[in-house]
Amino acid sequence: QAVVTQEPSLTVSPGGTVTLTCGSSTGAVTSGHYAYWFQQKPGQAPTTLIYDTIYKHSWTPARFSGSLLGGKAALTLSGAQPEDEADYYCLLSYSGPLYVFGTGTRVTVL
Amino acid sequence: QVQLVQSGAEVKKPGASVKVSCKTSGYTFTSYDISWVRQATGQGLEWMGWMNPDSGQTGSVEKFQGRVTMTRSTSTSTAYMELSSLRSEDTAVYYCVREGNWEWGQGTLVTVSS
Repeated sequence: QAVVTQEPSLTVSPGGTVTLTCGSSTGAVTSGHYAYWFQQKPGQAPTTLIYDTIYKHSWTPARFSGSLLGGKAALTLSGAQPEDEADYYCLLSYSGPLYVFGTGTRVTVL
Repeated sequence: QVQLVQSGAEVKKPGASVKVSCKTSGYTFTSYDISWVRQATGQGLEWMGWMNPDSGQTGSVEKFQGRVTMTRSTSTSTAYMELSSLRSEDTAVYYCVREGNWEWGQGTLVTVSS
């Protein structure tokens, strides 16, 4: 089974920009992995921010965006707010069908 | 709007089985696969497997094969996940998720303790 790797933790200043990445042990992440990004706050179920690499839900704040960057999936937060402090997980789709979650990134807004 | 409402918390003894339900509404139940995800306390998310509610076809990660059974009732738009031969390491919150846009249930805490 593939291993999907994320930065363990990142810190961003209020109003600042931070990029989280999601890499696959099997090689470059492509649009065929249909990358998803989820936000999870303590004690809550995850919520989906991005699906199919770049698409946002109606509830996804405009400051979040998804992309492919340097062979990885990426989630960029531009103009960080205190309420963005949370754990973020990516999810990649592999043939099978099979999904693998990333290891998660804790984002601190400080 | 799309809703996935899961059954309540469970406490089970090692070796027992647990069955979690996921009642859906707000969309055509048979049009989207359902995935099951779990999260142990303080740990990351773990994808367990999926079910096609239309055909009933299922698939799961190798570590759960033989222990997990995913079923559905199309008449009530409800998905079920049963995990057998429970051990303490199975203590976790279990989520059902509607694939496509990935909308989540609220989670069900399963505690395995003697």
